Amino acid sequence: KAGVTQTPRYLIKTRGQQVTLSCSPISGHRSVSWYQQTPGQGLQFLFEYFSETQRNKGNFPGRFSGRQFSNSRSEMNVSTLELGDSALYLCASKEAPATNEKLFFGSGTQLSVL
Amino acid sequence: EDQVTQSPEALRLQEGESSSLNCSYTVSGLRGLFWYRQDPGKGPEFLFTLYSAGEEKEKERLKATLTKKESFLHITAPKPEDSATYLCAVQAPFNDYKLSFGAGTTVTVRA
Repeated sequence: KAGVTQTPRYLIKTRGQQVTLSCSPISGHRSVSWYQQTPGQGLQFLFEYFSETQRNKGNFPGRFSGRQFSNSRSEMNVSTLELGDSALYLCASKEAPATNEKLFFGSGTQLSVL
Repeated sequence: EDQVTQSPEALRLQEGESSSLNCSYTVSGLRGLFWYRQDPGKGPEFLFTLYSAGEEKEKERLKATLTKKESFLHITAPKPEDSATYLCAVQAPFNDYKLSFGAGTTVTVRA
């Protein structure tokens, strides 16, 4: 069974640009969560999607958005990039949101904003 | 808001030197406590889930335990391949199942 796949692996952008990151969950997993990881703040929850609907959202500005498609694949978008958005963005999936199941993480997209 | 604090921030061990990592949490009605291992440049990899005080789980040289306010990850006779960052996360019943992570403990095991 293939794991969680995130593309691209690395991205370099400049301030003010926008970026779209992609995540393909494990087959059969319908819940997709996004996390931002930085050395100073650790792993912080961005949002979770299930059945193409956002179920939960963390404390991030509206520049961070996401969506989920009917095949459970998800994308997240960051508009008007700031230097502080440089981070490892991790996608995680599980079968359904309302369970205590462990999350399976992808390897992440390393975003650098110059 | 749920608080998860891990200590120490970093731990340097000699191969074979056993030690423990701590994860303390403040959350009402813990639904689950998770331990993950993260290698550089990779996403976290699941290790254990603990649900209630007194529970223990083991995997190779790792053993996780849970009390009402903290969890410990014991590393027995570590090897260099155990070098990684170990993350602790909690799931509370009223936050819609999202996980709150600690900052992690980076373990380096020297041969």
